[in-house]
Amino acid sequence: LAKTTQPISMDSYEGQEVNITCSHNNIATNDYITWYQQFPSQGPRFIIQGYKTKVTNEVASLFIPADRKSSTLSLPRVSLSDTAVYYCLVGDAESNTGKLIFGQGTTLQVKP
Amino acid sequence: ETGVTQTPRHLVMGMTNKKSLKCEQHLGHNAMYWYKQSAKKPLELMFVYNFKEQTENNSVPSRFSPECPNSSHLFLHLHTLQPEDSALYLCASSQRLAGGYNEQFFGPGTRLTVL
Repeated sequence: LAKTTQPISMDSYEGQEVNITCSHNNIATNDYITWYQQFPSQGPRFIIQGYKTKVTNEVASLFIPADRKSSTLSLPRVSLSDTAVYYCLVGDAESNTGKLIFGQGTTLQVKP
Repeated sequence: ETGVTQTPRHLVMGMTNKKSLKCEQHLGHNAMYWYKQSAKKPLELMFVYNFKEQTENNSVPSRFSPECPNSSHLFLHLHTLQPEDSALYLCASSQRLAGGYNEQFFGPGTRLTVL
């Protein structure tokens, strides 16, 4: 499983776009990139997943450059309710272990 | 009930007590997981079950004993715990057992305090 590195914390203001970058230099060919969101005292929630280029859903966008050694989660026009911890995970789509390895995550604080 | 539910939501127990945490998933999934989240630490995977069979024990002390009677229910039996076992215990499920391409659905967790 590839190791990921992301900022410990970020601050933003309501209405701004937030970009959280995750580094995964040792990503393997079969690995997918997945982001989870966790509010205090709740379980993580899947946000978005991608393999390459750009993926967009109703919550966020995920940008993955051609070398796939990093990825950027983009949250458009954040609100106070987006204050949470965001985890970047990299895992082998072919693996059958069920293992998800969570790092420290990025604590996003959205201010009024 | 929808999604993944956990009971109780909060539990306080002494070191000599025996208690159990319960998890139920209403998603028709085949794989279930227990995670531990201590203060200011990343989530740690504890156990993995696939079609009721344990497939992963991440070097968890024997004072934690999991049980999976069917694909919808998962228990974590606790006995003679230590104060450092105080944490948020999260249950999750997924459609199939896969590494990087499965979405895991988490319950709200049980906040455990060991006195």
